[in-house]
Parts: sequence; C-alpha cells; structure tokens
Amino acid sequence: QLVLTQSPSASASLGASVKLTCTLSSGHSRYAIAWHQRQPEKGPRYLMKLNSDGSHSKGDGIPDRFSGSSSGAERYLTISGLQFEDEADYYCQTWGTGIHWVFGGGTKLTVL
Amino acid sequence: QVHLQESGPGLVKPSGTLSLTCAVSGGSISSLNWWSWVRQSPGKGLEWIGEIYDSGSTNYNPSLKSRVTIAVDKSKNQFSLKLTSVTAADTAVYYCARDTGSSIDWGQGTLVTVSS
Repeated sequence: QLVLTQSPSASASLGASVKLTCTLSSGHSRYAIAWHQRQPEKGPRYLMKLNSDGSHSKGDGIPDRFSGSSSGAERYLTISGLQFEDEADYYCQTWGTGIHWVFGGGTKLTVL
Repeated sequence: QVHLQESGPGLVKPSGTLSLTCAVSGGSISSLNWWSWVRQSPGKGLEWIGEIYDSGSTNYNPSLKSRVTIAVDKSKNQFSLKLTSVTAADTAVYYCARDTGSSIDWGQGTLVTVSS
C-alpha cells in the first residue's frame, strides 16, 4: 500500500534552515512526489514536484529558498533563510492507483 | 495563471446532498488537465475525493465512490462536486484543484458544515 509518512511537527529559528522529510512506503521508492504549503487560513500552495533522482521543478513564484532533494525512499524539502511567513503546514503528495492523490499527514512548521 | 474559486452552501443537513462548484478563470476547463476535489476535516490531513478529465473520464476515492459525482460544465468553465447522504464526518474545508502534470493549482477552499 502506498503511504507517505511525515513527522507531525518541526521547528527552527528565524533565518535558519530546516529540512522536512517525506518517506515513501516500501516498494514505492522511485515515486515522484509534490510538496505543498498551507498557510493559516489559506488554500494549499504547490511548491514543487520532486523526482526520485532529486531533480525538481518548482511552481511559479516559489522563492529560491525552497529546494528539494531525494535519497532512496526519502524526499526532502529544505527551506533556507526561514521567514515568519514560512510558518505553515507542509504536505507531501504522490500519485497512486485507486486513490490517485495520496497525501502525507503533514508537518506543522513553527518558526521561532 | 489559472484561478480556481469554490462556491456553494456552507451548511448542509445530515442525510442531505453537498453540492459545490469550482469556477475556473484565466484558463479553459477544456484544456488537457485533471480537475480534482480534495477536503480537509477539522484536525485532520488532506483527503483526495476524486477527479475528472477533459474527456469526462472520472476517478473517485474508493472510500467515497458510492456517494460522489464530479462533473464538468464547459459552457460555464466550471466543474462540480456532489456528495450524497452526508454525515457530520463530511464536515470539512473543500478545495478544488487542477493538475497539469507538471504543476498543481489550488482554490482557496470553502468550509462546509453538516449539521441540523
């Protein structure tokens, strides 16, 4: 079964960097994923599509501070130079069969 | 850039039908994309409901399939969601979205509460 696993929470200081992790279930390590940001009281915002080789394509207007990388079944989202506006929920999502969009449980990022 | 806007009743009675519309602007709904509905119940994560392609082909979440219908209205450049036999568990913020294959656009979402 295709499952994405994320840590429920993360925190980092203003101006620092943070690396969020999304882990694909066994047998699905070559799947591409997408990262989405959901700020409070706003709809989700597509950040990037991230392939298993670490290549990624970002959405329009997404700052260079956001980058993606991959290692095995893990997909990472790194945010550099953290700003208060980056405080949000971050979801990874992939494309399956049956359930076409599969989401991770989300990571709540707090900027200290 | 395409803009998606959900609309519909914010309150639905139990056992009733939830009906929402997603208006598409800045682009044609007849473009070769998948148009999706996603929801987020209070305190929970995102749940994919289903999708429709330009051709009218649909895919639904198996857990909701018996209650869901997604349709496109090309004349109004919009697509819709109907969810029947709703219960309190269907209370959620409902989002519409477009998947181009290389990016995803989201609406801002609309809260639907199921209550008598």
